Amino acid sequence: GDSVTQMEGPVTLSEEAFLTINCTYTATGYPSLFWYVQYPGEGLQLLLKATKADDKGSNKGFEATYRKETTSFHLEKGSVQVSDSAVYFCALKDTNAGKSTFGDGTTLTVKP
Amino acid sequence: GAVVSQHPSWVICKSGTSVKIECRSLDFQATTMFWYRQFPKQSLMLMATSNEGSKATYEQGVEKDKFLINHASLTLSTLTVTSAHPEDSSFYICSAGGLMSNQPQHFGDGTRLSIL
Repeated sequence: GDSVTQMEGPVTLSEEAFLTINCTYTATGYPSLFWYVQYPGEGLQLLLKATKADDKGSNKGFEATYRKETTSFHLEKGSVQVSDSAVYFCALKDTNAGKSTFGDGTTLTVKP
Repeated sequence: GAVVSQHPSWVICKSGTSVKIECRSLDFQATTMFWYRQFPKQSLMLMATSNEGSKATYEQGVEKDKFLINHASLTLSTLTVTSAHPEDSSFYICSAGGLMSNQPQHFGDGTRLSIL
């Protein structure tokens, strides 16, 4: 079945540091890939997505590229801010699928 | 964008009572909604898929009689935790929309349930 493996956390960075959160997946079809962010006490919000190989999703300075050859969708940001502190979830939806498969989440803490 | 509203955001009640959580799609119709449970510092656990006008589909290990789901309209699904006990304390999140594989899910803000 489908699965998503995320880099284990927690991750603690200083403000303006470079961020990478690794995500790899297995899927039977041609999945779409997503990154969601969850701020404390809230639900999940879509951060970015990519729907086919070599697509790059980007939003709020975050980027992730759909790499079919390595089955990866790593999240990156060049300069993190304290306000980026949250839990980040990598997810996929396989072809014709309504529900998502989520990774375990990675907690990011950015210190001033 | 699509908005999903979840209510209440926080509830505390005594052991043995039943608690109802509502999930509404505010600006779109949702034939399918999903209910998740999230433990502290853990990922989302899909509990069930709520289908408008028909029975919910529960994931393996989720007690149907414990977690009653009703999806009576295209904009509302409810999760009722029956005879709640302290071990049912958790963060419950619903989602709706995005039924195509290239569409994201839209999540409610979650309900923090604390059973004393």
